[in-house]
Amino acid sequence: NAGVTQTPKFRILKIGQSMTLQCTQDMNHNYMYWYRQDPGMGLKLIYYSVGAGITDKGEVPNGYNVSRSTTEDFPLRLELAAPSQTSVYFCATGHNEKLFFGSGTQLSVL
Amino acid sequence: DAKTTQPNSMESNEEEPVHLPCNHSTISGTDYIHWYRQLPSQGPEYVIHGLTSNVNNRMASLAIAEDRKSSTLILHRATLRDAAVYYCILIALLTGGGADGLTFGKGTHLIIQP
Repeated sequence: NAGVTQTPKFRILKIGQSMTLQCTQDMNHNYMYWYRQDPGMGLKLIYYSVGAGITDKGEVPNGYNVSRSTTEDFPLRLELAAPSQTSVYFCATGHNEKLFFGSGTQLSVL
Repeated sequence: DAKTTQPNSMESNEEEPVHLPCNHSTISGTDYIHWYRQLPSQGPEYVIHGLTSNVNNRMASLAIAEDRKSSTLILHRATLRDAAVYYCILIALLTGGGADGLTFGKGTHLIIQP
């Protein structure tokens, strides 16, 4: 039982490149979330999903896209990467009482 | 969800109890008090939550003031592995709150001295 798995763990992008951050959960939860965390700050919600086929914007969705074709997977897509997207990205699943987070993807855009 | 106020940082000695305060003066009757912590280079992890009564689990205890406007997370015997950022979050569970994500503030950076 792996919980929440994020790949890759580290990535360096050039400005304007695109990439997909992968997130997979084996906990059979309907709810999934993407957060970003800038240095010394709390987490900010990018997108979330309440089930397969349903996604909604969080606090900071600009520059990102998501899809949710299955319960298990919730990939986060960056189109045209910008330096402002340099951050640590966390995926989470669960609901209300308890969220379970992945170990994060550290992304640098140079 | 109502706002919470926590000290930016606290320092304690290893093997001593630690009391982490959280103020939430605008808490509503349906708000549960949740605590998460984030160890260095890891994602946050759930610690404990409660509504009105004090709560205990294997990780910590949660003491809730009678008027619910403040709460305290208690680590009974801190170890070096408890050094982390601790977040206090209010969630209106009874009215579906939290489904659209949790709001994390800056939390309290707990430093444990050996």
